[in-house]
Amino acid sequence: QKEVEQNSGPLSVPEGAIASLNCTYSDRGSQSFFWYRQYSGKSPELIMSIYSNGDKEDGRFTAQLNKASQYVSLLIRDSQPSDSATYLCAVNILTGGGNKLTFGTGTQLKVEL
Amino acid sequence: GAGVSQSPSNKVTEKGKDVELRCDPISGHTALYWYRQSLGQGLEFLIYFQGNSAPDKSGLPSDRFSAERTGGSVSTLTIQRTQQEDSAVYLCASSWDRGNEQFFGPGTRLTVL
Repeated sequence: QKEVEQNSGPLSVPEGAIASLNCTYSDRGSQSFFWYRQYSGKSPELIMSIYSNGDKEDGRFTAQLNKASQYVSLLIRDSQPSDSATYLCAVNILTGGGNKLTFGTGTQLKVEL
Repeated sequence: GAGVSQSPSNKVTEKGKDVELRCDPISGHTALYWYRQSLGQGLEFLIYFQGNSAPDKSGLPSDRFSAERTGGSVSTLTIQRTQQEDSAVYLCASSWDRGNEQFFGPGTRLTVL
């Protein structure tokens, strides 16, 4: 089992719809969770962080965390073509060497006109 | 404040040559990471530095790869005797501490002919 798993997509949604991106993780003790956005040809950019169970909203973005089920999700409301990118989930995983931020392989989102 | 900077932004080299890639992290960040990203692929962890501790080199793909971090700040990734399969984008990131959110530089695109 991978430490952080994401569906690679592509996930296609129409403009104005809600895009839902999901991520599961293996370490039940993980405490920190992050979402990055990566446009084609660019480096990853941090867009959301979440540490507690529940929802965290920032503009059109909502991060949801459920530690009991070991999943974290990102909702994008009123999706725009400019949201088309790959979204990386990152989870703080406890390893033999200490805490390590581990990245999923990313979900490609396509917002269609 | 200034973000993570990397140089050069692009590097084209011939097979068998050595290359050096540079990363200047965000001031005050004690943790520094190198990743490699091939076209359409996820982030491949290479090496991690934390303060004065011994680096975590567990992701280096071969002994042709090495890295150092001088004075707890700037880091250099060296690839000796480059091969065509080394062609990728090399990303550097820094964070306050291991497990915290990472901030990425713009990357160096390496092409080995």
